[in-house]
Amino acid sequence: DAGITQSPRHKVTETGTPVTLRCHQTENHRYMYWYRQDPGHGLRLIHYSYGVKDTDKGEVSDGYSVSRSKTEDFLLTLESATSSQTSVYFCAAALTGQGTTEAFFGQGTRLTVV
Amino acid sequence: ILNVEQSPQSLHVQEGDSTNFTCSFPSSNFYALHWYRWETAKSPEALFVMTLNGDEKKKGRISATLNTKEGYSYLYIKGSQPEDSATYLCAFGPDDKIIFGKGTRLHILP
Repeated sequence: DAGITQSPRHKVTETGTPVTLRCHQTENHRYMYWYRQDPGHGLRLIHYSYGVKDTDKGEVSDGYSVSRSKTEDFLLTLESATSSQTSVYFCAAALTGQGTTEAFFGQGTRLTVV
Repeated sequence: ILNVEQSPQSLHVQEGDSTNFTCSFPSSNFYALHWYRWETAKSPEALFVMTLNGDEKKKGRISATLNTKEGYSYLYIKGSQPEDSATYLCAFGPDDKIIFGKGTRLHILP
């Protein structure tokens, strides 16, 4: 499972507060991804990283930022949480780019913005 | 906008029957096509990654084919069992992204 752990697993936060979710991997995968899962939408890509300090936007990046200062950690920050960001967030990691190797997923983080 | 389309959205199959579903994706800028199995309350797990036109892959009773020229892939399940109940996700790998379809939810009826 590429040793991917997400923290926290559950979080309730208030509208307008900043929130940071952490993804940690132990297998030295170069590529990492943040997705959100919503009913009727499947998994939508928020941001991804193709190396340390190298990140780019996905399909639904507005209101989110990411950072990757080390290979093993990929942080997702909600700059000012809104109720529309209530979702389940999944992190994934892959060894190679261009989707040529499988992605391994973390357990997910359930975020509720009240 | 890169779209990965999966059909049907939901499927009910009698135990023992075989079934298949479809994934369509942009045929330009193609690098790879993935299939994942996603059980409720768990994380998605990869079934197959295919990169070449004409690829066929098999894992037990599950197999997949790939046509990159016309932009589609099929997933086949032979002799469905209760443990096959899950959502099956297709994903497309343009550039360094992995873009997912909305999935096909498979229900196996006893």
